[in-house]
Amino acid sequence: QVLQSGPEVKKPGASVRLSCKASGYTFTSYGINWVRQAPGQGLEWMGWISGYNGDTNHAQKFQGRVTLTTDTSTKTAYMEVRSLTYDDTAVYYCARGEAILGAHYGLDVWGQGTTVTVSS
Amino acid sequence: DIVMTQSPLSLPVTPGEPASISCRSSQSLLHSNGYNYLDWYLEKPGQSPQLLIYLASHRASGVPDRFNGSGSGTDFTLKISRVEAEDVGVYYCMQALQSLFTFGQGTKLDIK
Repeated sequence: QVLQSGPEVKKPGASVRLSCKASGYTFTSYGINWVRQAPGQGLEWMGWISGYNGDTNHAQKFQGRVTLTTDTSTKTAYMEVRSLTYDDTAVYYCARGEAILGAHYGLDVWGQGTTVTVSS
Repeated sequence: DIVMTQSPLSLPVTPGEPASISCRSSQSLLHSNGYNYLDWYLEKPGQSPQLLIYLASHRASGVPDRFNGSGSGTDFTLKISRVEAEDVGVYYCMQALQSLFTFGQGTKLDIK
């Protein structure tokens, strides 16, 4: 399973760092995807990081504003989002995926989600 | 980016009846390895999304066999042979061919 950090309330312009702790599987054999869902909206894929070698990919709209990292010693993935706006208010999910792009078997384990509220 | 388009966006279904959701991609999702990189997910009310189908037609572990995925290239379909009350929620397709994944806009299935 993957267990996500608790809810966050941030002011516009601030940054937020979310965590996703894996258990019950070999962390380095998989990657972690980050997906968000704004209120009343659909799912939006944000990015991926390999637990194997730290490679990353980000959706273009998040380039330069999102940083994905992992700590293999604690089997934890992190996502930092900077320069928050009201549009970043959403539930953020982490989901297990492939360790190497192309070796795809779906996003098969999802966290419980972290609610991020951007409010002044 | 590859654009994913689902239809219908709303799907009322009578329990026991079949249901079908379509997903079209703006580019072929057929990989050189012969697999189509298309997944289906279900987001039940109040729950995190769950994987139903990966690589277009492979049922994920624990998914009932009433769920079937098919299609190739740019046209894909998720079929539920007999809808049950527990199947309500929003269904999403997602392409994983390019390194930048993208979801469809979602299809809301509810019970008539």
